[in-house]
Amino acid sequence: GQQLNQSPQSMFIQEGEDVSMNCTSSSIFNTWLWYKQDPGEGPVLLIALYKAGELTSNGRLTAQFGITRKDSFLNISASIPSDVGIYFCAGQTGGTYKYIFGTGTRLKVLA
Amino acid sequence: DGGITQSPKYLFRKEGQNVTLSCEQNLNHDAMYWYRQDPGQGLRLIYYSQIVNDFQKGDIAEGYSVSREKKESFPLTVTSAQKNPTAFYLCASSIGRERGKFFGPGTRLTVL
Repeated sequence: GQQLNQSPQSMFIQEGEDVSMNCTSSSIFNTWLWYKQDPGEGPVLLIALYKAGELTSNGRLTAQFGITRKDSFLNISASIPSDVGIYFCAGQTGGTYKYIFGTGTRLKVLA
Repeated sequence: DGGITQSPKYLFRKEGQNVTLSCEQNLNHDAMYWYRQDPGQGLRLIYYSQIVNDFQKGDIAEGYSVSREKKESFPLTVTSAQKNPTAFYLCASSIGRERGKFFGPGTRLTVL
Protein backbone atom coordinates (compact mmCIF):
# COMPACT_ATOMS: atom_id res chain seq x y z
CA GLY A 1 0.00 0.00 0.00
CA GLN A 2 0.91 3.63 -0.35
CA GLN A 3 3.04 5.19 2.37
CA LEU A 4 3.95 8.72 3.26
CA ASN A 5 7.46 10.08 2.97
CA GLN A 6 8.48 10.93 6.52
CA SER A 7 11.78 12.60 7.35
CA PRO A 8 14.22 12.39 8.87
CA GLN A 9 14.26 8.64 9.45
CA SER A 10 16.18 9.10 12.67
CA MET A 11 17.83 11.86 14.64
CA PHE A 12 20.03 12.30 17.66
CA ILE A 13 19.71 15.56 19.54
CA GLN A 14 20.93 17.08 22.75
CA GLU A 15 18.52 17.59 25.63
CA GLY A 16 17.04 21.08 25.42
CA GLU A 17 17.23 21.35 21.64
CA ASP A 18 14.23 21.86 19.40
CA VAL A 19 13.23 19.11 16.95
CA SER A 20 11.49 19.31 13.60
CA MET A 21 10.15 16.52 11.42
CA ASN A 22 7.78 16.39 8.48
CA CYS A 23 5.65 14.23 6.24
CA THR A 24 4.93 14.71 2.58
CA SER A 25 2.53 13.00 0.24
CA SER A 26 1.61 13.03 -3.42
CA SER A 27 -2.06 12.94 -2.38
CA ILE A 28 -4.18 15.64 -0.81
CA PHE A 29 -5.31 14.79 2.71
CA ASN A 30 -8.28 16.01 4.77
CA THR A 31 -6.82 14.94 8.11
CA TRP A 32 -3.31 14.64 9.51
CA LEU A 33 -2.49 12.80 12.72
CA TRP A 34 0.76 12.64 14.69
CA TYR A 35 1.56 9.70 17.00
CA LYS A 36 4.38 8.72 19.35
CA GLN A 37 5.22 5.08 19.91
CA ASP A 38 7.42 3.66 22.66
CA PRO A 39 9.08 0.26 22.12
CA GLY A 40 6.61 -2.61 22.44
CA GLU A 41 3.64 -0.29 22.98
CA GLY A 42 0.80 1.04 20.86
CA PRO A 43 1.05 4.52 19.29
CA VAL A 44 -0.33 7.39 21.35
CA LEU A 45 -2.18 10.17 19.55
CA LEU A 46 -0.36 13.48 20.04
CA ILE A 47 -2.08 15.94 17.74
CA ALA A 48 -4.91 15.79 15.17
CA LEU A 49 -5.24 18.36 12.37
CA TYR A 50 -8.42 18.79 10.36
CA LYS A 51 -8.02 22.00 8.31
CA ALA A 52 -5.40 23.24 5.87
CA GLY A 53 -3.16 25.81 7.55
CA GLU A 54 -4.21 24.69 11.03
CA LEU A 55 -1.57 25.07 13.71
CA THR A 56 -2.16 23.10 16.91
CA SER A 57 -0.11 22.76 20.08
CA ASN A 58 -0.01 20.11 22.79
CA GLY A 59 2.41 21.21 25.49
CA ARG A 60 5.87 21.40 23.93
CA LEU A 61 4.58 19.90 20.68
CA THR A 62 3.30 21.94 17.77
CA ALA A 63 2.01 20.55 14.49
CA GLN A 64 0.84 22.21 11.31
CA PHE A 65 -1.39 21.11 8.44
CA GLY A 66 0.33 22.34 5.29
CA ILE A 67 -1.48 24.81 3.05
CA THR A 68 -1.10 22.51 0.04
CA ARG A 69 -2.75 19.71 2.09
CA LYS A 70 0.09 17.44 1.00
CA ASP A 71 2.35 17.90 4.00
CA SER A 72 2.46 18.31 7.73
CA PHE A 73 5.12 19.29 10.27
CA LEU A 74 5.75 18.43 13.90
CA ASN A 75 7.99 20.48 16.17
CA ILE A 76 9.13 19.58 19.67
CA SER A 77 10.57 22.40 21.73
CA ALA A 78 13.16 22.01 24.49
CA SER A 79 13.44 18.24 24.15
CA ILE A 80 13.76 16.04 27.24
CA PRO A 81 14.90 12.41 27.58
CA SER A 82 11.32 11.05 27.69
CA ASP A 83 10.75 12.40 24.17
CA VAL A 84 12.68 9.36 22.95
CA GLY A 85 10.59 7.14 20.70
CA ILE A 86 9.25 6.79 17.19
CA TYR A 87 7.01 9.52 15.81
CA PHE A 88 4.53 8.61 13.08
CA CYS A 89 2.41 10.78 10.87
CA ALA A 90 -0.80 9.55 9.30
CA GLY A 91 -2.93 11.10 6.59
CA GLN A 92 -6.50 10.50 5.50
CA THR A 93 -8.30 11.39 2.30
CA GLY A 94 -11.94 12.35 2.53
CA GLY A 95 -14.73 9.81 2.50
CA THR A 96 -12.67 6.86 3.66
CA TYR A 97 -11.79 5.12 6.89
CA LYS A 98 -8.30 4.35 5.63
CA TYR A 99 -5.30 6.25 6.94
CA ILE A 100 -1.88 6.09 5.35
CA PHE A 101 1.00 5.94 7.83
CA GLY A 102 4.52 7.25 7.47
CA THR A 103 7.49 4.98 8.21
CA GLY A 104 8.36 6.93 11.35
CA THR A 105 11.07 9.22 12.72
CA ARG A 106 13.16 7.61 15.44
CA LEU A 107 14.19 10.24 17.99
CA LYS A 108 17.00 9.81 20.48
CA VAL A 109 17.76 12.49 23.04
CA LEU A 110 21.23 12.72 24.54
CA ALA A 111 21.26 13.96 28.11
CA ASP B 1 -11.06 4.66 32.60
CA GLY B 2 -11.97 4.36 28.95
CA GLY B 3 -9.59 2.69 26.60
CA ILE B 4 -8.67 -0.19 24.32
CA THR B 5 -7.38 -3.49 25.62
CA GLN B 6 -5.63 -6.20 23.66
CA SER B 7 -4.80 -9.64 24.90
CA PRO B 8 -2.54 -11.40 25.20
CA LYS B 9 0.52 -9.13 25.10
CA TYR B 10 2.71 -11.92 23.72
CA LEU B 11 1.50 -14.92 21.76
CA PHE B 12 3.36 -17.90 20.36
CA ARG B 13 1.93 -20.37 17.93
CA LYS B 14 3.13 -23.27 15.89
CA GLU B 15 3.17 -23.06 12.15
CA GLY B 16 -0.13 -24.25 10.67
CA GLN B 17 -2.28 -23.24 13.63
CA ASN B 18 -4.96 -20.56 13.66
CA VAL B 19 -4.84 -18.01 16.48
CA THR B 20 -7.28 -15.31 17.61
CA LEU B 21 -6.21 -11.93 18.99
CA SER B 22 -8.61 -10.10 21.25
CA CYS B 23 -9.50 -6.39 21.08
CA GLU B 24 -12.02 -4.70 23.37
CA GLN B 25 -12.89 -0.99 23.70
CA ASN B 26 -15.14 0.86 26.14
CA LEU B 27 -14.90 4.23 24.37
CA ASN B 28 -18.26 3.77 22.65
CA HIS B 29 -16.52 4.15 19.30
CA ASP B 30 -18.31 2.93 16.20
CA ALA B 31 -15.24 2.19 14.09
CA MET B 32 -12.53 -0.35 14.87
CA TYR B 33 -9.39 -1.35 13.00
CA TRP B 34 -6.59 -3.92 12.91
CA TYR B 35 -3.09 -2.98 11.83
CA ARG B 36 0.08 -4.94 11.39
CA GLN B 37 3.49 -3.44 12.17
CA ASP B 38 6.80 -4.88 10.99
CA PRO B 39 10.23 -3.53 11.98
CA GLY B 40 11.13 -0.32 10.19
CA GLN B 41 7.77 -0.05 8.47
CA GLY B 42 4.66 1.99 8.92
CA LEU B 43 1.37 0.50 10.00
CA ARG B 44 -0.55 -1.50 7.43
CA LEU B 45 -4.31 -1.90 7.59
CA ILE B 46 -5.64 -5.47 7.75
CA TYR B 47 -9.38 -5.01 8.34
CA TYR B 48 -11.70 -2.31 9.59
CA SER B 49 -15.28 -2.15 10.76
CA GLN B 50 -17.50 0.92 10.61
CA ILE B 51 -20.38 -0.60 12.53
CA VAL B 52 -21.52 -3.81 14.17
CA ASN B 53 -21.94 -6.79 11.82
CA ASP B 54 -20.04 -5.01 9.06
CA PHE B 55 -16.34 -5.03 8.12
CA GLN B 56 -14.13 -4.35 5.11
CA LYS B 57 -10.77 -5.61 3.93
CA GLY B 58 -7.79 -3.34 4.27
CA ASP B 59 -4.57 -3.45 2.30
CA ILE B 60 -3.27 -6.80 3.56
CA ALA B 61 -6.34 -8.90 4.46
CA GLU B 62 -5.18 -12.20 2.95
CA GLY B 63 -4.74 -14.87 5.61
CA TYR B 64 -6.75 -12.96 8.23
CA SER B 65 -10.40 -12.95 9.30
CA VAL B 66 -12.45 -10.79 11.68
CA SER B 67 -15.91 -10.53 13.22
CA ARG B 68 -17.86 -7.65 14.76
CA GLU B 69 -20.75 -9.12 16.72
CA LYS B 70 -20.58 -6.47 19.43
CA LYS B 71 -19.71 -2.77 19.31
CA GLU B 72 -17.04 -3.25 21.96
CA SER B 73 -15.24 -6.21 20.41
CA PHE B 74 -13.33 -6.80 17.18
CA PRO B 75 -11.30 -10.05 17.32
CA LEU B 76 -8.75 -10.89 14.65
CA THR B 77 -7.96 -14.46 13.59
CA VAL B 78 -4.61 -15.14 12.00
CA THR B 79 -5.10 -18.24 9.91
CA SER B 80 -2.60 -20.80 8.70
CA ALA B 81 -2.97 -19.24 5.25
CA GLN B 82 -1.04 -16.15 6.37
CA LYS B 83 2.44 -16.71 4.95
CA ASN B 84 4.41 -14.51 7.33
CA PRO B 85 2.35 -13.97 10.50
CA THR B 86 5.12 -13.01 12.93
CA ALA B 87 4.51 -9.31 13.64
CA PHE B 88 3.21 -6.75 16.12
CA TYR B 89 -0.58 -6.40 15.82
CA LEU B 90 -2.35 -3.22 16.81
CA CYS B 91 -6.06 -2.63 17.30
CA ALA B 92 -7.53 0.87 17.11
CA SER B 93 -10.88 2.60 17.33
CA SER B 94 -12.37 5.96 16.37
CA ILE B 95 -15.66 7.82 16.72
CA GLY B 96 -15.98 8.11 12.98
CA ARG B 97 -13.83 8.20 9.88
CA GLU B 98 -12.90 11.86 10.20
CA ARG B 99 -11.65 11.67 13.76
CA GLY B 100 -8.35 10.53 15.24
CA LYS B 101 -7.75 6.89 16.00
CA PHE B 102 -6.80 5.54 19.41
CA PHE B 103 -4.62 2.46 19.63
CA GLY B 104 -4.43 -0.44 22.04
CA PRO B 105 -1.14 -1.66 23.56
CA GLY B 106 -0.60 -4.31 20.86
CA THR B 107 -0.03 -8.06 20.70
CA ARG B 108 3.27 -9.48 19.54
CA LEU B 109 2.69 -12.74 17.67
CA THR B 110 5.57 -15.10 17.05
CA VAL B 111 5.19 -18.18 14.89
CA LEU B 112 7.61 -20.96 15.82
